[in-house]
Amino acid sequence: DSGVTQTPKHLITATGQRVTLRCSPRSGDLSVYWYQQSLDQGLQFLIQYYNGEERAKGNILERFSAQQFPDLHSELNLSSLELGDSALYFCASSVGGDRDLAGYTFGSGTRLTVV
Amino acid sequence: GQQLNQSPQSMFIQEGEDVSMNCTSSSIFNTWLWYKQDPGEGPVLLIALYKAGELTSNGRLTAQFGITRKDSFLNISASIPSDVGIYFCAGQRRLGSNFGNEKLTFGTGTRLTIIP
Repeated sequence: DSGVTQTPKHLITATGQRVTLRCSPRSGDLSVYWYQQSLDQGLQFLIQYYNGEERAKGNILERFSAQQFPDLHSELNLSSLELGDSALYFCASSVGGDRDLAGYTFGSGTRLTVV
Repeated sequence: GQQLNQSPQSMFIQEGEDVSMNCTSSSIFNTWLWYKQDPGEGPVLLIALYKAGELTSNGRLTAQFGITRKDSFLNISASIPSDVGIYFCAGQRRLGSNFGNEKLTFGTGTRLTIIP
């Protein structure tokens, strides 16, 4: 157990629908990152939050949005889903700030299948 | 989005063989990291490198931070069945002290398969 909790583990939904993926970071971590991994692909950065504020944005579609709540958990909202959105979505967390050592800790991911 | 160039894309080896993979970038990074991903799981950090030229070991794994800060390599000695998986390099830049670390930029991955 990495300490980063993602729910649900699997999600199957139809095109056009909206889903919410949830992430609880490791205790004490202030930064949360979302990554998308399509089949046999590397990890594509979507968005980063640090202590409740958006810090960096990657290749995140306008149909996708995220937020980090006061208790530091984060949600990734995916709307108007398309078949191509089927992927593994990973959340990762890190301490953040100048106390950070290196890298982050990943959760075990949410596998989204759009049918 | 940007990804680091990682090679080889896949490797098929016999148990006991040594493995070598590398990662190159057109940009400089302050930190290089190597992760391993098992099927259905998130990547797990293997080794972190903080300084150009640094050589770091973790058991049978050895990684080096290139002097130019634009590359890194990972060696695995005497491979065993549990080494099977996908290995990713990642580069990271530090932001100012009031901010979280900048996102990791990942390599395209090296899939390691051990032939019986």
